[in-house]
Amino acid sequence: DQQVKQNSPSLSVQEGRISILNCDYTNSMFDYFLWYKKYPAEGPTFLISISSIKDKNEDGRFTVFLNKSAKHLSLHIVPSQPGDSAVYFCAASARGDMRFGAGTRLTVKP
Amino acid sequence: EAGVAQSPRYKIIEKRQSVAFWCNPISGHATLYWYQQILGQGPKLLIQFQNNGVVDDSQLPKDRFSAERLKGVDSTLKIQPAKLEDSAVYLCASSPRAVNTGELFFGEGSRLTVL
Repeated sequence: DQQVKQNSPSLSVQEGRISILNCDYTNSMFDYFLWYKKYPAEGPTFLISISSIKDKNEDGRFTVFLNKSAKHLSLHIVPSQPGDSAVYFCAASARGDMRFGAGTRLTVKP
Repeated sequence: EAGVAQSPRYKIIEKRQSVAFWCNPISGHATLYWYQQILGQGPKLLIQFQNNGVVDDSQLPKDRFSAERLKGVDSTLKIQPAKLEDSAVYLCASSPRAVNTGELFFGEGSRLTVL
């Protein structure tokens, strides 16, 4: 049961441009959404989160947008840097039950 | 601050053998999770502990998987007997909060290959 979906397995972006990673969910009970970043041979690390009562949260170059009516969230990275190249996982939580998407591999080319 | 420690990093076994993974969470973190990440998929929760009690083990294949968290600190995850489809990275994570509305802190994972 895939309650959290990341439909793009990969994304390639030029350095300095915007990266937009997308995530869709089906469970309307999710009340907290997070993005994790994963480098090879390492565990995922927390990047940014948003509560369901908000529609935008910004932290430096990273902004997460939440569209509850569409059950969609996105992560914007501006400007993209080569060090941002990693796999990005979208996660959603409902009363402590956290579900992850399959991830999107972002490649930022110099 | 030390992160979540896991061992071993890599393990190769034959099917029907047994294997155990160990996790030491961040000091003071009450909640501990074991996730299974199969290649090309996102992490899937196997079991969640709050201190030394089980909060959620609904997705743990209990006929072959077991986990314990003695004294509310370290945890072990055991698979016996292993199947080919158990090949995955086993991630341990911890959180200071009882209800997970915040981020999880993951270890580097233990990669299991079942031949």
